[in-house]
Amino acid sequence: DAGVIQSPRHEVTEMGQEVTLRCKPISGHNSLFWYRQTMMRGLELLIYFNNNVPIDDSGMPEDRFSAKMPNASFSTLKIQPSEPRDSAVYFCASSSLTGTGEAFFGQGTRLTVV
Amino acid sequence: QKEVEQNSGPLSVPEGAIASLNCTYSDRGSQSFFWYRQYSGKSPELIMSIYSNGDKEDGRFTAQLNKASQYVSLLIRDSQPSDSATYLCAALFGGQNFVFGPGTRLSVLP
Repeated sequence: DAGVIQSPRHEVTEMGQEVTLRCKPISGHNSLFWYRQTMMRGLELLIYFNNNVPIDDSGMPEDRFSAKMPNASFSTLKIQPSEPRDSAVYFCASSSLTGTGEAFFGQGTRLTVV
Repeated sequence: QKEVEQNSGPLSVPEGAIASLNCTYSDRGSQSFFWYRQYSGKSPELIMSIYSNGDKEDGRFTAQLNKASQYVSLLIRDSQPSDSATYLCAALFGGQNFVFGPGTRLSVLP
């Protein structure tokens, strides 16, 4: 298996623009997590899905952030409009609810909003 | 509030020594615990998982779990400079929600 695949790896955008981050979980995994990592705040859970259904989005910072999982093999995290304080590394991870619970991470998307 | 606490470090140990990393968690009902290693600029990588009280060994790594004290630790024997990284402790709350601690930065000095 190729592991969790995220795209793009790097994104530079101007303040006010829409940004869409993409994630393909490991085949057969039915939990998907979106995290944001910064030096100041560490690794923060934004939202997670079980069987494509959002379970907990309490970590989503504000209404500018939205996430979808239209099917078992694809999820998006959208920021509209983007702000410089959104600059961070965004990670997607997946795990199996019926397995040992281990989560595996993608390579991350480094977002810079100027 | 679901929380995982770690000493942020940095923890410095000489090459060949034992590095001891500690973690506490808030939810007594948690059953699954994990240690991840993260090199600078890279994604977290799973290195150990532990589900039962006691010790679990894998090569130079030993994870220890004490559910009564809500305490998890990771020992790295014969530390190498290549072990220098940030180590993240994670707990699975409610069987679904992965929560990470802030991480401990380890530096192994040659």
